[in-house]
Amino acid sequence: RKEVEQDPGPFNVPEGATVAFNCTYSNSASQSFFWYRQDCRKEPKLLMSVYSSGNEDGRFTAQLNRASQYISLLIRDSKLSDSATYLCVVNKNTGNQFYFGTGTSLTVIP
Amino acid sequence: DGGITQSPKYLFRKEGQNVTLSCEQNLNHDAMYWYRQDPGQGLRLIYYSQIVNDFQKGDIAEGYSVSREKKESFPLTVTSAQKNPTAFYLCASSFEVVFTEAFFGQGTRLTVV
Repeated sequence: RKEVEQDPGPFNVPEGATVAFNCTYSNSASQSFFWYRQDCRKEPKLLMSVYSSGNEDGRFTAQLNRASQYISLLIRDSKLSDSATYLCVVNKNTGNQFYFGTGTSLTVIP
Repeated sequence: DGGITQSPKYLFRKEGQNVTLSCEQNLNHDAMYWYRQDPGQGLRLIYYSQIVNDFQKGDIAEGYSVSREKKESFPLTVTSAQKNPTAFYLCASSFEVVFTEAFFGQGTRLTVV
């Protein structure tokens, strides 16, 4: 079983739409959770960390459900510039290894 | 500016050759990582190092070697034993504390010709 699983998509949504991505992780000892954004042929960049209480940054909201071992990312009022691949990342902090999902592809259509 | 630098950006290798990918960081991070990314497969861990002169194999270490002689540097050698080396290679670094994110270099795209 993979450490982190994501729906690969692709998600094609119109500008202004709300879209949600989900991610599950297999190890209950996981401590840190992140969403990264990766543009085509570029390196991943941190979008936001995910805290137990949930957190929001502008149009982006991340939530963590430890009981279900589930992380989500909600993007409101989608912009063309949001088109990218979104990677779910989990860190067990044992050996400080980061585990990456395969990514969810988003295309925002004019 | 602090950051993590990979070089070269593009690399072409003939079959049977060893090549070394450079990764340098000036973020004072303890931990450094090498990942390989293939289309549709996400990032897979090759090697990681938590401290100078020590490193651990990741999920796909066969055909690769690393060294960590300095805190700032973590070069990756792709040996001729790696049968399918064409991929996008990403180096990352982080602090060795809880709830810290990883920072990535810009990547090296290796192609076997």
